Amino acid sequence: QQQVKQSPQSLIVQKGGISIINCAYENTAFDYFPWYQQFPGKGPALLIAIRPDVSEKKEGRFTISFNKSAKQFSLHIMDSQPGDSATYFCAASNSMRNSGYALNFGKGTSLLVTP
Amino acid sequence: KAGVTQTPRYLIKTRGQQVTLSCSPISGHRSVSWYQQTPGQGLQFLFEYFSETQRNKGNFPGRFSGRQFSNSRSEMNVSTLELGDSALYLCASSPQPLNTEAFFGQGTRLTVV
Repeated sequence: QQQVKQSPQSLIVQKGGISIINCAYENTAFDYFPWYQQFPGKGPALLIAIRPDVSEKKEGRFTISFNKSAKQFSLHIMDSQPGDSATYFCAASNSMRNSGYALNFGKGTSLLVTP
Repeated sequence: KAGVTQTPRYLIKTRGQQVTLSCSPISGHRSVSWYQQTPGQGLQFLFEYFSETQRNKGNFPGRFSGRQFSNSRSEMNVSTLELGDSALYLCASSPQPLNTEAFFGQGTRLTVV
């Protein structure tokens, strides 16, 4: 079953606005939560990641907010630009699993930033 | 530093055939994992290798297999291809066995006709 649920499926934001994408997980063993950005014809590119020992991480215009008790995390893109138009994936993993490492992805959010 | 390289970029195969995809990880990276991406199912984990050993496997049939060589390069093989195997196959590399940063290649687009 889908271990990470992502919403919305698609999002349209005006240039300069804030894009917000949400994810929820069930497995409390997950301890690493990355976000990936994917453009058409390209592989996913690591954007930003967070561990549950912090509630927020900011890198430039991208911020992850993490709520451990609610088992939710979100990506905020401030001052959204047309160049941010892409598909965004959240993911979660148990980085301490000795039997191997696997990313569990959400279904993705298609973001369109209009001029 | 060169990124993850996957070859070929595109493949067209006939149902029932088999296919081998190749992945060269970032230099120095020893963990390689494979993912299948489809519009319906999204990104799904296939398997992960470290030091030539498969350490983890996703929920895919035995037709999907892989291996890793001593230079960390990896191949995945799909036998008896089905139409539903049409997908973008992505390889990701990580520098350490429990390191969390995974860097993806551009993928191999497989079309089964």
